Amino acid sequence: AQKVTQAQTEISVVEKEDVTLDCVYETRDTTYYLFWYKQPPSGELVFLIRRNSFDEQNEISGRYSWNFQKSTSSFNFTITASQVVDSAVYFCALSGDAGNMLTFGGGTRLMVKP
Amino acid sequence: GAGVSQSPRYKVAKRGQDVALRCDPISGHVSLFWYQQALGQGPEFLTYFQNEAQLDKSGLPSDRFFAERPEGSVSTLKIQRTQQEDSAVYLCASSFFQGPSYEQYFGPGTRLTVT
Repeated sequence: AQKVTQAQTEISVVEKEDVTLDCVYETRDTTYYLFWYKQPPSGELVFLIRRNSFDEQNEISGRYSWNFQKSTSSFNFTITASQVVDSAVYFCALSGDAGNMLTFGGGTRLMVKP
Repeated sequence: GAGVSQSPRYKVAKRGQDVALRCDPISGHVSLFWYQQALGQGPEFLTYFQNEAQLDKSGLPSDRFFAERPEGSVSTLKIQRTQQEDSAVYLCASSFFQGPSYEQYFGPGTRLTVT
């Protein structure tokens, strides 16, 4: 069975602070894929990134960066110099050979205060 | 281009009523998924279609839940004899290809409230 754990249910930071959202996963699949989605107050999940299990290279996209470590089964997400518009619920998700569906974590609500 | 659309956006049903939720995926997308998101939780998988074929319905919580995609495009999720525990946001997602590696594009969801 697959499982995704986001231990931080809610984080509050002041604008311009850096913040890291943690994600730990469990899977028996050899090949699997990790995702991050953003859910703003409007409710629509927005795709941010996908990594496959064979690619542990970290990725940076503007103020966003992702750290994938197979040794600790973690796929953490860092926002540098946070902005009020980053306020949302962020979900980490996993898919694999067992099926095409996504298994989501419980989400982390990020509040960025001005 | 147009994204995934869902209707209605909000639905209030009395316990015992039947409801039908519609999903219009992105044109040409082969895969279509339904998820249920309870308040304050992550989405949970309900069912998956590849074109018109329902390949996985392991997440449907009971036989009161039924989904179809007869022509491989629009999909309908039907809930019979609604119960209060069915109150949730129902999310539809589509993907251009079939396979676990492709990102899914989500619609805005239908918020179902059962009174």
